[in-house]
Amino acid sequence: SQQGEEDPQALSIQEGENATMNCSYKTSINNLQWYRQNSGRGLVHLILIRSNEREKHSGRLRVTLDTSKKSSSLLITASRAADTASYFCAPAGLTGGGNKLTFGTGTQLKVEL
Amino acid sequence: SAVISQKPSRDICQRGTSLTIQCQVDSQVTMMFWYRQQPGQSLTLIATANQGSEATYESGFVIDKFPISRPNLTFSTLTVSNMSPEDSSIYLCSVRTGTSYEQYFGPGTRLTVT
Repeated sequence: SQQGEEDPQALSIQEGENATMNCSYKTSINNLQWYRQNSGRGLVHLILIRSNEREKHSGRLRVTLDTSKKSSSLLITASRAADTASYFCAPAGLTGGGNKLTFGTGTQLKVEL
Repeated sequence: SAVISQKPSRDICQRGTSLTIQCQVDSQVTMMFWYRQQPGQSLTLIATANQGSEATYESGFVIDKFPISRPNLTFSTLTVSNMSPEDSSIYLCSVRTGTSYEQYFGPGTRLTVT
């Protein structure tokens, strides 16, 4: 399936450190989106990267995409306690018009003071 | 982005009953979707809600179990029919605005079936 698979499943870092999460997928994509979910709350859209892009930035976030390896990474720089959440990648395959997002089980990030 | 609200935010229902979940957006959107997030699992797309026509369901989901309506460009409902405890999940709607592929999610409806 197209489902994104995040790695690691859990990550614990100190405030101020950088956090890197990886995502792998299996088939060609139209785009790939990253989301954050705080405990018990809805998903917050972080960033979208298209299949013809290699890197995007948004504030403290940096996303890379390597379509040859079918992988993406999310880097959060200078992490804060408020970044504690689950992070999901959601690749959108070529079928479904780029709209069908398939989520993995996420990376649980804990940022400690 | 868009402001998305869902009603109810949570509910506890008895098996065999049905629940209708509403999704309201503060602006017209091009597409609306319904997802399910079962406990401890990832999100799964149930269907695409099409305005004025039948929803497009993903494999494993059928209209008799999850009837969906979308009467206009800002509103959609998902009904979970003949519920069983296995339907206990968070149900989320998402929207796509304009020409961007970005999807924005509502806060979700937490459903518990006893």
